[in-house]
Amino acid sequence: KNEVEQSPQNLTAQEGEFITINCSYSVGISALHWLQQHPGGGIVSLFMLSSGKKKHGRLIATINIQEKHSSLHITASHPRDSAVYICAVRWDTDKLIFGTGTRLQVFP
Amino acid sequence: KAGVTQTPRYLIKTRGQQVTLSCSPISGHRSVSWYQQTPGQGLQFLFEYFSETQRNKGNFPGRFSGRQFSNSRSEMNVSTLELGDSALYLCASSLTYSNEQFFGPGTRLTVL
Repeated sequence: KNEVEQSPQNLTAQEGEFITINCSYSVGISALHWLQQHPGGGIVSLFMLSSGKKKHGRLIATINIQEKHSSLHITASHPRDSAVYICAVRWDTDKLIFGTGTRLQVFP
Repeated sequence: KAGVTQTPRYLIKTRGQQVTLSCSPISGHRSVSWYQQTPGQGLQFLFEYFSETQRNKGNFPGRFSGRQFSNSRSEMNVSTLELGDSALYLCASSLTYSNEQFFGPGTRLTVL
């Protein structure tokens, strides 16, 4: 069993829809990261959080430390949001473990 | 402020050769981490350097090594290349090891 599980693996949506991507982990962590990877490989760090909730534009990330669960929400989705979203947790002297990613496609 | 740069962007090698990849972090960042991404294994942590010292190492064989210089630039080396080393190698820099990481564009290595 992977230490970091993401769901769903693939997600398609119509422009304007509200999207949720989930991440569950099984280890004690010091921080959780949400990353975005576009075709071609470039990775952008969206959020780093260790508790509560963070918001940036149309993106919202939440984390529940007790339940070992985090969600990434995208409000009013747009085709340019199409990418792979990756959850990563920092644990054990700050090593990073990555989830397998969620491939999101938003159609106009 | 310039972002993280990696050179070269693309590289083709043959089995048994060795390769050196370079990463220049954002100015002022002292931590550099390296990751390998393959279709089968996804993203995996290779190692992390902070102030010229290796803080962490992932589960990779000793053929994978790295170092960090006094200007925070980092290099990683893979010796005796195998077909399975074909991957996208990403580096990321941060102010310190517990801060948000900023990723470079990656070096795509193909081993023939």
